[in-house]
Amino acid sequence: KAGVTQTPRYLIKTRGQQVTLSCSPISGHRSVSWYQQTPGQGLQFLFEYFSETQRNKGNFPGRFSGRQFSNSRSEMNVSTLELGDSALYLCASRKTGNTEAFFGQGTRLTVV
Amino acid sequence: DQQVKQNSPSLSVQEGRISILNCDYTNSMFDYFLWYKKYPAEGPTFLISISSIKDKNEDGRFTVFLNKSAKHLSLHIVPSQPGDSAVYFCAAPQGNYGQNFVFGPGTRLSVLP
Repeated sequence: KAGVTQTPRYLIKTRGQQVTLSCSPISGHRSVSWYQQTPGQGLQFLFEYFSETQRNKGNFPGRFSGRQFSNSRSEMNVSTLELGDSALYLCASRKTGNTEAFFGQGTRLTVV
Repeated sequence: DQQVKQNSPSLSVQEGRISILNCDYTNSMFDYFLWYKKYPAEGPTFLISISSIKDKNEDGRFTVFLNKSAKHLSLHIVPSQPGDSAVYFCAAPQGNYGQNFVFGPGTRLSVLP
């Protein structure tokens, strides 16, 4: 079956702009989490959605937001982009009740 | 809050030898842990997990050990192969239901032929 799909794979934006990233989870998976990976920082948890509701949120400013649709697809939005937002953004989906999460290939965002 | 530490940013091992990657966590409310492997330009791939009902879980060349009293786990790869060269992340649960994970900073393993 298809894995977690993230689009786009690469993105270049300028400071001050906003960006929307998309994630399609594995079919049947209702939980979607977003992570930011920067060199030396590992994977930082952004937020998790389940049944269209944000269940958990990490320590990121309000410029980072997300949503989940009824088909479990999720989007992440970053407004007023800063240079420090340049990172690999990863989406992971999980089946209800399972602990193992499956990751997409990520979206590489570069802010110039 | 959960904190996960992987104190070795990098590790080099000769092909055929054992690789040991270590991980320490702070919150033992949910005693299950995951290891992920990541190649450049790809998302992390689930490798192996362990829960508190065991102190060891083995899957082929990969074995994870859990020391609950020390809040420590380790991943052993035997024998190491050049294709194992990647960044390895340890992950521990947090949240009201343990439904999201805190990842360590990762250990870059290089297996030398």
